[in-house]
Amino acid sequence: EVQLVESGGGLVQPGGSLRLSCAASGFTFSSYWMHWVRQAPGKGLVWVSRINSDGSSTSYADSVKGRFTISRDNAKNTLYLQMNSLRAEDTAVYYCARDKETVAAPFDYWGQGTLVTVSS
Amino acid sequence: DIQMTQSPSSLSASVGDRVTITCRASQSISSYLNWYQQKPGKAPKLLIYAASSLQSGVPSRFSGSGSGTDFTLTISSLQPEDFATYYCQQSYSTLEITFGQGTRLEIK
Repeated sequence: EVQLVESGGGLVQPGGSLRLSCAASGFTFSSYWMHWVRQAPGKGLVWVSRINSDGSSTSYADSVKGRFTISRDNAKNTLYLQMNSLRAEDTAVYYCARDKETVAAPFDYWGQGTLVTVSS
Repeated sequence: DIQMTQSPSSLSASVGDRVTITCRASQSISSYLNWYQQKPGKAPKLLIYAASSLQSGVPSRFSGSGSGTDFTLTISSLQPEDFATYYCQQSYSTLEITFGQGTRLEIK
């Protein structure tokens, strides 16, 4: 069974840092591109970042570019999101999601999400 | 960036109704369009990918169509468990993937 389990969320002050993790199991993690998607309270889904299967290529939403870094450890089956210079508007539930690796690259499995709250 | 606009933003319908949700892209995205369902407090669930392909395990009352800039998600006969929020998503631009703003489907 495919499972994605996020951790690392919590309360952080503006300007602070946080690292999210996403532990993957039930599939060959090293074969799949992975993504982070966030959802502010009561709002819609916003794509944050993606990384290819070996970690050599990444992309970011303009809103987080230069502040967030996506990475992965295929030996540990874990995806990461390092978030620096956090702002109030980064407050959201953060989901990791697997890229189905087919046409249109849909996200076929999602974690349960981890809440990040940026507040003083 | 490619902007995705869904209509309507909210919709009231009854069990058994046929419902259609529309998603429009700001430029042509071929068939790089996916649909998700999200229930409160839960992660999104993939319903349709590549505009019209049904994800494994998703009931056949869900269908998708369209290409280019205009797409639709249709639920042929609403069931109680279908009341949720629906999102379209474009993956034509892998540099910046974007979602529609969502359509909330409520019970009439």
